[in-house]
Parts: sequence; C-alpha cells; structure tokens
Amino acid sequence: GAGVSQSPRYKVTKRGQDVALRCDPISGHVSLYWYRQALGQGPEFLTYFNYEAQQDKSGLPNDRFSAERPEGSISTLTIQRTEQRDSAMYRCASSPTGVDAFFGQGTRLTVV
Amino acid sequence: TQLLEQSPQFLSIQEGENLTVYCNSSSVFSSLQWYRQEPGEGPVLLVTVVTGGEVKKLKRLTFQFGDARKDSSLHITAAQPGDTGLYLCAGAPTGTASKLTFGTGTRLQVTL
Repeated sequence: GAGVSQSPRYKVTKRGQDVALRCDPISGHVSLYWYRQALGQGPEFLTYFNYEAQQDKSGLPNDRFSAERPEGSISTLTIQRTEQRDSAMYRCASSPTGVDAFFGQGTRLTVV
Repeated sequence: TQLLEQSPQFLSIQEGENLTVYCNSSSVFSSLQWYRQEPGEGPVLLVTVVTGGEVKKLKRLTFQFGDARKDSSLHITAAQPGDTGLYLCAGAPTGTASKLTFGTGTRLQVTL
C-alpha cells in the first residue's frame, strides 16, 4: 500500500479482555516497529522485527504484551488481560533500511 | 537508557520569526532523525543526518548534527503557520540498526 496501515483506528475494550492490534507495513519494507505514544510526548519503543524475526522486545512492558510478524509483512501486537494503564496510542512504523521510519496513523486503545 | 532532551518544550511565535530547537544527549548516535507530527497523525520524517557536523537544508529548515554525534539542532527561518506541530528528534544507537529513541518533543505554534 501507499503507507503504513493500522487497524482498528480506535479500540475500546473492557479491563481483562485481550486485544489484537494490526499493522500492515509499506510493501517491501524489511523492518517493522511498534511504539507506544502518550499525548504530547515522543513515541516509546516496544519491539521491532526484521522480516519475520523479532530482533528486540526489550520495550514490551510485561509478559501480557506480545507481537508477531509470521510472514515478514503484517504484524500483530497482542495485549492480554488488558489494564487501564495500557490505554495509549499504539503506533506502528516500517523502514526499508532500518534507519528511517514511516509511521502509521496509530490505534487509540482505551481500556475501561 | 539513552535519553534525548529537547528544548524548548513549547514555543509560540509569530509568522516571520526565526527559531531553533535543540536535541541533546549524553550518548552517541549512529544517526539522528527529525520528525514533525500534527494532531491525530503519526510522526512524519523530515530528515536523517548520519555524519558528525553534517548540515542539511530542507527549504526554510536547517538541520545540524553535532560533531560528536550526541546532539542536533533544527533552525526554522521565517516561520509560517503551516510549521505548527510537534517536532521530535530520534536517535539510532551506535552499533544497532534500529530501535529509535525519541526525544521529549517541542511543540511549536506559529500565529499570524
């Protein structure tokens, strides 16, 4: 596609439910990143992939968070047993070189 | 943990004025990017600098990477209302291909 596509754009879920956030990167981009962004602040790194391999997951807050990119393209960030503190904007980015990042519009997650 | 401090945090100026935003760290980066983000959108890449002392110009925007690759600046000449937004610097740590660390952000408002 023309840009990084994320779905859903908005997700409201009840505390304790699992959620899956999807990212469709720019075609051909090798690297895919997940970030979390609080209002008015810069994105905070969660994890990234080169092709299908997860290279670094040091930014994932705890073991309720996981991510996969099984075929080296679309990626899913899953949050199990959601808590109110998980509410945030989750952003995906992709890169052809691993340096420049192109961001999607994000998924606004609200846990009630 | 590598931190990027941006200053100022907020800047409100009138159209036609010049301004400089600073991005500072105690860590060395292999490259540094500048992004602009508008409300409701993802960060948009403006420039990448990779060499110490490098200067890049993008119309009225001038970006400089410090000689030691620990800091950077963004200078805007004759600011326009369209320059309004959140400006973010982001550094890629030396020795790694990815995992950007974002700065604290500078919110710029340009009024008529």
